[in-house]
Order: sequence, then structure tokens, then C-alpha cells
Amino acid sequence: EIVLTQSPATLSLSPGERATLSCRASQSVSSSLVWYQQKPGQAPRLLIYDASNRATGIPARFSGSGSGTDFTLTISSLEPEDFAVYYCQQRNNWPPLTFGGGTKVEI
Amino acid sequence: QLQLQESGPGLVKPSETLSLTCTVSGGSISSSNYYWGWIRQPPGKGLEWIGSIYYSGSTYYNPSLKSRVTISVDTSKNQISLNLNSVTAADTAIHYCARLTPSGRSDYWGRGTLVTVSS
Repeated sequence: EIVLTQSPATLSLSPGERATLSCRASQSVSSSLVWYQQKPGQAPRLLIYDASNRATGIPARFSGSGSGTDFTLTISSLEPEDFAVYYCQQRNNWPPLTFGGGTKVEI
Repeated sequence: QLQLQESGPGLVKPSETLSLTCTVSGGSISSSNYYWGWIRQPPGKGLEWIGSIYYSGSTYYNPSLKSRVTISVDTSKNQISLNLNSVTAADTAIHYCARLTPSGRSDYWGRGTLVTVSS
């Protein structure tokens, strides 16, 4: 099973700042990596798929990069609604699908 | 707009079976190329994929839960179902139903339903 490790666990930033979130895989997942955003009391929302493609309706301030074992989600300038928990998920050779432990972006 | 709605008991006793249904509206569960699945989240914790099913009935389970899980599909009702047997307190979680694309991303989610395992 591929293990995904997200860092940091918590990121404390202010609106307008740049957020950089990391996801590292225990073995190569090629570009088969997805990012989700989850706000309290809500289901996760798809942000990025195939490592760097924004999902429908996702603002351009969200970008994803990486391949193999190291991936990054960048929020170029944090808006108040971006404070949430972010999860990465791999789908290389699924099943199983596996998720990272999450990064909380807090004010 | 595609919508998914989970339903089922919110409380299950230890050793019994957790049973949930996901009803899909705004689209057909028989649409080719999509899988439908269950993902759970213990309160305050991360996400765990339980399993997925294709409309044809092919199933894919998390190896850690495979011995206890059954996912089925009823195309006539546009529903999928989850059964998890021999539950313990560790199975207490919000359970989400989601559509999964062939490339493995979940693009539509239900709102989730909390199932508590307690006597």
C-alpha cells in the first residue's frame, strides 16, 4: 500500500500570504495525485487532479505540481475562504486508494 | 446537477452490521466509465477509502476492511449500498458516498452521514 505523508500538519498564515503544502508518497505514483479541500462540517471538494489540473470552478490561485513521489499544492494568495484542511490522495494502481493525513491551513 | 444522498441508521451496536444507502439523483448510476464508492472519516481525523463499485457490479475494497465489507448496486433505484459487519467503536465515522472517475478522483460527494457504534 502506498503511504502519503503530508507536511506540515498545520500551516498558520494570514490572508494574502502564499501557502505551500507538501505531499510525499512512499513510492512513485507518477502523476496520479489528487488534492481535496475540506471545510468544517462539509464533504471534501475536488481541487486538483492528475497532480496539476484544476477541477471545474477552482480558482486560478490554486495550483498543483510534482510527479513521482513529491507533490506540492500552492495557494498563491490566501483568501478568507481558503482556510480549511487539505488532503492529497493517490490513485496509482488502485485499489486501494489512499489519502494523506491532511494539512490544516489556519489563520 | 448530480446529487448524492446517504441514508441509514446513525447508531449501530458493537458486533452488528452497519448498513447505509446512497441515492443518486440528477444522473444515472449506470453511466459508463464511473465508479461509485464509500469513504469514511472518524470524527476529527482523516479520510479512509472503504471501497468502490462499477455499475456492472465489479467491486474494489480496501484490503484493511475487505473481510467485513460488501458494496452493492441497484441500478433500478439508482442506489448503492454499504454493509460493514462486526463493527466496533473504531468504525464510528462520517460515511461519505462519492462518484469516482476512471482516473481515480472523487468529483461528486454526498454530505455524509455520521454512524456511531455504541451499545
